[in-house]
Amino acid sequence: AQKITQTQPGMFVQEKEAVTLDCTYDTSDPSYGLFWYKQPSSGEMIFLIYQGSYDQQNATEGRYSLNFQKARKSANLVISASQLGDSAMYFCAMREGRGGATNKLIFGTGTLLAVQP
Amino acid sequence: NAGVTQTPKFQVLKTGQSMTLQCAQDMNHNSMYWYRQDPGMGLRLIYYSASEGTTDKGEVPNGYNVSRLNKREFSLRLESAAPSQTSVYFCASSEGGESWDEQYFGPGTRLTVT
Repeated sequence: AQKITQTQPGMFVQEKEAVTLDCTYDTSDPSYGLFWYKQPSSGEMIFLIYQGSYDQQNATEGRYSLNFQKARKSANLVISASQLGDSAMYFCAMREGRGGATNKLIFGTGTLLAVQP
Repeated sequence: NAGVTQTPKFQVLKTGQSMTLQCAQDMNHNSMYWYRQDPGMGLRLIYYSASEGTTDKGEVPNGYNVSRLNKREFSLRLESAAPSQTSVYFCASSEGGESWDEQYFGPGTRLTVT
């Protein structure tokens, strides 16, 4: 059965430093997608970055990059040059298959990031 | 372009009462979803609708029913609310089909059942 594990309930980082949020996954489907979402204290879910299982390169979106290690089944989120506004809960999620009827996301339990000035 | 909207934003129910959470999207998306978020549990899928006219159970469907009213609207009904259904409910939508599409989330409904 598919599963997402985020082992860091909470993390601190100094402003302007980089931080890595861990995510490991388990699936038997060779085709899957991995997502990271940010949830600030206001509660909305904000999409950050996506990585497909067949993508050859690690995904990047501005200050966000995804360190995808397929053999280790890990998809860690790296935030460079942290800002105070990055303080939020971060969720890793996975979808098996290639969309259509299998568009279901499985979420991890999240990591609460606090950026300190 | 409002994206995904949900009503109400907050609701307090007594045990045994019923209510319907409304969700609408204006992005012409095919797929819609209902999740619940509990402390320490992440988001869990309740029901989803891959396309207009279809609905399927997710991970935690017990105690809920859904209706895909049309392409835009997807409602979640609690027939007899229980304290265990106290949670934050999120509706989401995506293009669906064969694309690796992201899900767009509504602002959430905070429900308390006493």
